[in-house]
Amino acid sequence: GESVGLHLPTLSVQEGDNSIINCAYSNSASDYFIWYKQESGKGPQFIIDIRSNMDKRQGQRVTVLLNKTVKHLSLQIAATQPGDSAVYFCAENSITSGTYKYIFGTGTRLKVLA
Amino acid sequence: KAGVTQTPRYLIKTRGQQVTLSCSPISGHRSVSWYQQTPGQGLQFLFEYFSETQRNKGNFPGRFSGRQFSNSRSEMNVSTLELGDSALYLCASSWNAGGNEQFFGPGTRLTVL
Repeated sequence: GESVGLHLPTLSVQEGDNSIINCAYSNSASDYFIWYKQESGKGPQFIIDIRSNMDKRQGQRVTVLLNKTVKHLSLQIAATQPGDSAVYFCAENSITSGTYKYIFGTGTRLKVLA
Repeated sequence: KAGVTQTPRYLIKTRGQQVTLSCSPISGHRSVSWYQQTPGQGLQFLFEYFSETQRNKGNFPGRFSGRQFSNSRSEMNVSTLELGDSALYLCASSWNAGGNEQFFGPGTRLTVL
């Protein structure tokens, strides 16, 4: 498959274990954050989002934590499965000069070991 | 509901040529954003269109341009192609501009020879 990023940090996790992927964002004024999953040869797929008035949000097998004090976002995947192997990106919705745009992190490659 | 569609999926061009890529957003979505993805630079914002108007633009040269039609479909154009323009071009749509869920298409893989 096509490579999303040649030098991405990689997290290797045993199947069934929990995964934690971290992301540092840049703008303390950003008020909306999204985690995406990108599989080889595909576009990013929306996983979960969180607004800045929350510090935790849960989905199905996924939880996003937001720490505004240190501008840190994390994605927790419970009971990691082989199908979770992909590159994961965080995105912050940053407002500059009155307009919004998304800024993406560099991504983390998750490898699930059987 | 159909997702974001992009055409073509793959494209090979030579330096100096121009290219037009097309994006159809999710039905009801009025905002379309374009991104360039490369292994070295990651995902970089190109521009966003809402109601046929460019609302925001990233740091790309003027060779990169776009437009949006009344049905919210969008096209982006790259003129005078350079080798460094080889990338995956992604389109994302959301129902409104700024601060909302954004959904991506599969991308167009452009190779410049």
